[in-house]
Amino acid sequence: DGGITQSPKYLFRKEGQNVTLSCEQNLNHDAMYWYRQDPGQGLRLIYYSQIVNDFQKGDIAEGYSVSREKKESFPLTVTSAQKNPTAFYLCASSPAVLQTQYFGPGTRLLVL
Amino acid sequence: GIQVEQSPPDLILQEGANSTLRCNFSDSVNNLQWFHQNPWGQLINLFYIPSGTKQNGRLSATTVATERYSLLYISSSQTTDSGVYFCAVGSRDMRFGAGTRLTVKP
Repeated sequence: DGGITQSPKYLFRKEGQNVTLSCEQNLNHDAMYWYRQDPGQGLRLIYYSQIVNDFQKGDIAEGYSVSREKKESFPLTVTSAQKNPTAFYLCASSPAVLQTQYFGPGTRLLVL
Repeated sequence: GIQVEQSPPDLILQEGANSTLRCNFSDSVNNLQWFHQNPWGQLINLFYIPSGTKQNGRLSATTVATERYSLLYISSSQTTDSGVYFCAVGSRDMRFGAGTRLTVKP
């Protein structure tokens, strides 16, 4: 089955800890995206990547980092510099930018 | 950046009713999509519609790019249509509206 997988489904972070959220796609899409969703709100773009080894900051990149070493994978690291990381994180991909985006099931991050 | 406004913020319908959701945006865009987010958080793409009209079953959408708005029509609503509907617009980076929360009662 083609699709986008995110893991883990739930993630707990301790104060001062970095955590990495996984996003993998087997759709052969060039573009990938990370969004953050807070309760009752819309999605905000953290980072996006148009192609391997390239990525651009979105509206709320501070406290986050990404890498795009493989076409299939776009992991997101939530660093200790992100002071309010509790949120629902969604990964998406599209064949290219300006084309339909498809979303993974999301990861819920909670701070202990 | 581009501003995206969705209306109404909340909508409650009886099963079988029709509805229209609106998305206004502040600048010209190359990309507009409508999504449905189910109660478990999964976003499903409904339409990719930067301009024109599309239909898919009971759902249809129209975007008038020159007037900077898009409409999503839901006909003969069902309880499974409940959830949050998002409009997203932009160029390389997408901006999401705050959503319309739809509740369809049996």
